[in-house]
Amino acid sequence: AQTVTQSQPEMSVQEAETVTLSCTYDTSESDYYLFWYKQPPSRQMILVIRQEAYKQQNATENRFSVNFQKAAKSFSLKISDSQLGDAAMYFCAYRSGGSNYKLTFGKGTLLTVNP
Amino acid sequence: GEEVAQTPKHLVRGEGQKAKLYCAPIKGHSYVFWYQQVLKNEFKFLISFQNENVFDETGMPKERFSAKCLPNSPCSLEIQATKLEDSAVYFCASSQAGRDSNQPQHFGDGTRLSIL
Repeated sequence: AQTVTQSQPEMSVQEAETVTLSCTYDTSESDYYLFWYKQPPSRQMILVIRQEAYKQQNATENRFSVNFQKAAKSFSLKISDSQLGDAAMYFCAYRSGGSNYKLTFGKGTLLTVNP
Repeated sequence: GEEVAQTPKHLVRGEGQKAKLYCAPIKGHSYVFWYQQVLKNEFKFLISFQNENVFDETGMPKERFSAKCLPNSPCSLEIQATKLEDSAVYFCASSQAGRDSNQPQHFGDGTRLSIL
């Protein structure tokens, strides 16, 4: 079974600075997808960024980018120019590229942004 | 609709009572997923549907949990004889197609279930 590990229960960053959240996963599959979701205190689950395993190019969405290292099974999220609104729980998630479409989540990283 | 709609937002039940949660997926989405988020923030997959058919139920505690997605009705998740450990936020998500990541899962706002 696939597992997703987020080794940082909590992180903090100064406003306007850059922070990197770590995520590693374990799988024997070659075809899969990876996601970062943001969950603010309102508990909405907001998709931040996604990466297809077959793409070598790292995904980027405005201030959010990933460092996808397939061989190392690592999928870190970099947030540049951090804003107060970035404060939230961040979840890394894995989805098989096969017939099982469920998401497997890490335990989350609580990000605090200091003014 | 354009959003996954979950009702109610908060549900309080006494231990042993029944709880029923509802989810209206985004129109046109053929896959529905239920997840349980417990107080330590951990997500657990419960069940998924492809239209009205169960697609994957490997996460369901079958003794007390059941779920349905019937045509022209919201999907539902029902818990019989609730226990304190069932207290959690239950999320529903839908996607347009299962395989393609360009169709990610869109989440509802969740139902907080409190068992007293």
